Amino acid sequence: DIVMTQTPLSLSVTPGQPASISCKSSQSLLHSDGRTYLYWYLQKPGQSPQRLIYEVSSRFSGVPDRFSGSGSGTDFTLKISRVEAEDVGVYYCMQGIYLRTFGQGTKVEIK
Amino acid sequence: EVQLVESGGGLVQPGGSLRLSCAASGFTFGYYWMSWVRQAPGKGLEWVANIKEDGSERYYVESAKGRFTISRDNAKNSLYLQMNSLRAEDTAVYFCARDLISFDIWGQGTMVTVSS
Repeated sequence: DIVMTQTPLSLSVTPGQPASISCKSSQSLLHSDGRTYLYWYLQKPGQSPQRLIYEVSSRFSGVPDRFSGSGSGTDFTLKISRVEAEDVGVYYCMQGIYLRTFGQGTKVEIK
Repeated sequence: EVQLVESGGGLVQPGGSLRLSCAASGFTFGYYWMSWVRQAPGKGLEWVANIKEDGSERYYVESAKGRFTISRDNAKNSLYLQMNSLRAEDTAVYFCARDLISFDIWGQGTMVTVSS
């Protein structure tokens, strides 16, 4: 099975400041079709998760451009350029190359 | 409106069984893979199982194999999860989700508590 490891597990950020979350997979997420099956989600308090990023770096429709994804192979990063109050919640990476596995989650709060 | 609504959760004793349902509306249910994802209280997300559009392929997380069965009825726009031999560690909110590899639509979840 593929293990997804996120760091840090929690983050306290001043509004307007950047934030970064790392996600490492135990196996490469690069498929033979050339796509890398790494996704990012945000679960806001009391809500179901919502999609942010697909295939490492593409934002889903409606996701603000302050969110960006990068990485390749087994190492990936989600960055928020300027954190806003509405960004609080738990962020998860997820692999989709073999079944589905989520990272442990990173809780983001506002200072 | 595109929507998924789960039901069937509740309190069950260890070793017992429960069947969850997920009613889909607002889209052509039979065109999509579907998944169950769970979240234990205060914990992270865990994918449980998924099923192909026509039900011909089903996949499970290791801990669910042999105990859980995912199924669907496209005529009723419904997804199911039959859970047998339940354990305390199966206690969680269970979400159904439309599976495009990423999960684009989620239900609100149904709580399953396994306790004596």
